[in-house]
Amino acid sequence: EVQLVESGGGLVQPGRSMKLSCAASGFTFSNYYMAWVRQGPKKGLEWVAAISYDSSTTYYRDSVKGRFTISRDNTKSTQYLQMDSLRSEDTATYYCARLYVYYGSNNMDAWGQGASVTVSS
Amino acid sequence: DIQMIQSPASLSASLGETVSIECLASQGISNDLAWYQQKSGKSPQLLIYATSTLQDGVPSRFSGSGSGTRYSLKISDMRPEDEAEYFCQQSYRYPLTFGSGTKLEIK
Repeated sequence: EVQLVESGGGLVQPGRSMKLSCAASGFTFSNYYMAWVRQGPKKGLEWVAAISYDSSTTYYRDSVKGRFTISRDNTKSTQYLQMDSLRSEDTATYYCARLYVYYGSNNMDAWGQGASVTVSS
Repeated sequence: DIQMIQSPASLSASLGETVSIECLASQGISNDLAWYQQKSGKSPQLLIYATSTLQDGVPSRFSGSGSGTRYSLKISDMRPEDEAEYFCQQSYRYPLTFGSGTKLEIK
């Protein structure tokens, strides 16, 4: 069974940092691109970042470029999201997602349960 | 960035009814369109990818169609378990973008 389990969320002050982790199991982690998607309170889904199989390529939405860093450790089947200079608008539930790349299209075919991040003083 | 305009924002349907949700992309996305279902308090689940391919385990009453910039999700024979929010997503190009969602409730 495919499982993605996020950890590391919580309450953080504006301007501070937080690191999320996502432990994967039930599939060969190194065969998949991975992503982070967030959902603000009572809001829709917003893709945040993605990383290739071997970490050689990363993608970010503009609003987090230079502040967030996605990474992965294939030996631990775990991906990470380092979030620096956090802002109130980063408050959201952050989902870890597996990317199923189908003829070049990027679909999220497995999701974690989500990690809540609240940025507030 | 590719904008995804999803409609309607909310929808109410009776059991057994057929409903449709639309997504309009701001540019052509070559059928790289996915649909997700999110039940209250749960994580999203992939329903359909590549416009019309059902993810494993998804009932056949769900179907997708479209081309170019216009895509739709059809739910036939509405069931109680279909009450959820539905999102489209263009999977064509980064940054990946979602529609704003459609809340589907039972009438």
